[in-house]
Amino acid sequence: GDSVTQMEGPVTLSEEAFLTINCTYTATGYPSLFWYVQYPGEGLQLLLKATKADDKGSNKGFEATYRKETTSFHLEKGSVQVSDSAVYFCALARAGGGADGLTFGKGTHLIIQP
Amino acid sequence: NAGVTQTPKFQVLKTGQSMTLQCAQDMNHEYMSWYRQDPGMGLRLIHYSVGAGITDQGEVPNGYNVSRSTTEDFPLRLLSAAPSQTSVYFCASSPEGVWGSTEAFFGQGTRLTVV
Repeated sequence: GDSVTQMEGPVTLSEEAFLTINCTYTATGYPSLFWYVQYPGEGLQLLLKATKADDKGSNKGFEATYRKETTSFHLEKGSVQVSDSAVYFCALARAGGGADGLTFGKGTHLIIQP
Repeated sequence: NAGVTQTPKFQVLKTGQSMTLQCAQDMNHEYMSWYRQDPGMGLRLIHYSVGAGITDQGEVPNGYNVSRSTTEDFPLRLLSAAPSQTSVYFCASSPEGVWGSTEAFFGQGTRLTVV
């Protein structure tokens, strides 16, 4: 079946550091890929997405590129802020759609220190 | 626009008790689902619905029931609570029939403790 693997953390960085959170996936066909973010005490929010190979999703300074050849969707940000502290989830939706929702990774807890 | 609303936010149950977690969305979304979030496990799908009157099981459905009598509401019932059901529960909805084409909207979660 489909699966998503991501580094679990916690990942602790200083403010203005460069961030990479790795995400790889296993799926048939060409799934859509997502990064969701969960701030403390809140539900998940879509951060960015990519629906086909070589697409780059971007939002709030975060970027991720859909790499079919390496089955990866790594999240990057050039200069993190304390407000970026949250849990980040990589997820996929099956190719061709699917009513049975999203497949999530285990989440990466990011802590940014001033 | 309230989005996806879950109630209650917190709940403590005794083993064997039953209860219903409520989920309502005001965006006229056809697709709704329930997930549970456990440490080190990410989110796992419990049940989902593709429209009023239609539901199906996800990855971890045992011990839970759902129904979808209206487009807006998708309650999750715990029949006989067990400590293994201690978790944070999220309800989500999507405006289209293909999850991958757009974002899913999540409620703020219900933190359930079964003692």
